[in-house]
Amino acid sequence: DSGVTQTPKHLITATGQRVTLRCSPRSGDLSVYWYQQSLDQGLQFLIQYYNGEERAKGNILERFSAQQFPDLHSELNLSSLELGDSALYFCASSPRGAGGQETQYFGPGTRLLVL
Amino acid sequence: AQSVTQPDIHITVSEGASLELRCNYSYGATPYLFWYVQSPGQGLQLLLKYFSGDTLVQGIKGFEAEFKRSQSSFNLRKPSVHWSDAAEYFCAVSGGYQKVTFGTGTKLQVIP
Repeated sequence: DSGVTQTPKHLITATGQRVTLRCSPRSGDLSVYWYQQSLDQGLQFLIQYYNGEERAKGNILERFSAQQFPDLHSELNLSSLELGDSALYFCASSPRGAGGQETQYFGPGTRLLVL
Repeated sequence: AQSVTQPDIHITVSEGASLELRCNYSYGATPYLFWYVQSPGQGLQLLLKYFSGDTLVQGIKGFEAEFKRSQSSFNLRKPSVHWSDAAEYFCAVSGGYQKVTFGTGTKLQVIP
C-alpha cells in the first residue's frame, strides 16, 4: 500500500459525458501527478500539481483538466468523453514536487470505460 | 527529448532462473533512472532508482540494475526468479525536475 488513494476504482460511462477522478496523496506529500495508461499509448504523463498550483504539463488534452485543493487532494476532470479515453488513470504523489528527482508513489488507479 | 526503449514486450522464464530485463534510454545529460513493477490490477511500485554514484543499484525484492553510460542502458536483473515476480516492469527516465518518461513495459511470465 503506497498511501495514495484513488476513487472510484472503476467507472463506466457513455461518450460525451463528464467524469471526475479523485486522488488523495500520501500524508505529507505536496505534489500530485496524473498519468494515463492505455494499451496503445502506454503510460503517459498528463499533469503535475504542487501545493495547489500547476507545475508541469504533459500530454493532457484540452477536454481534460485538473486541480489540487488546499487539503492537497486532487481531481482530474474528463469531459466530452470519447471511446479512446478508456484507460487506467493513475495518480502519484511525491514530497517536494521535484519531478524526476524524487520517487513517485502511485495509487491503485481508476479504470475508466467509455461506451 | 528524453525517451526509453524496452525492447522485450514479453519474457518467459522458469522459476529459479536468472532474469535480465533490458532498458535503453535517450537523454543528453546524466539521467535519473527508475524501474517500477506493476502487478495485475495494482499501481506501480518503485523497485529501484539511480540518481548518481555507484552504477550498480540494489532494490527491493532482490532486484538490481546497472547503469552503463556508454551503452545508454539500465538493465534490471535478478539472480533467481520467484513465481510472485510475474508482473509488468517499467523502466523510466527523467532529466531531474522534468517529467518522468516511461517505457512501454515488459511483461514477465514465470513458469514452474
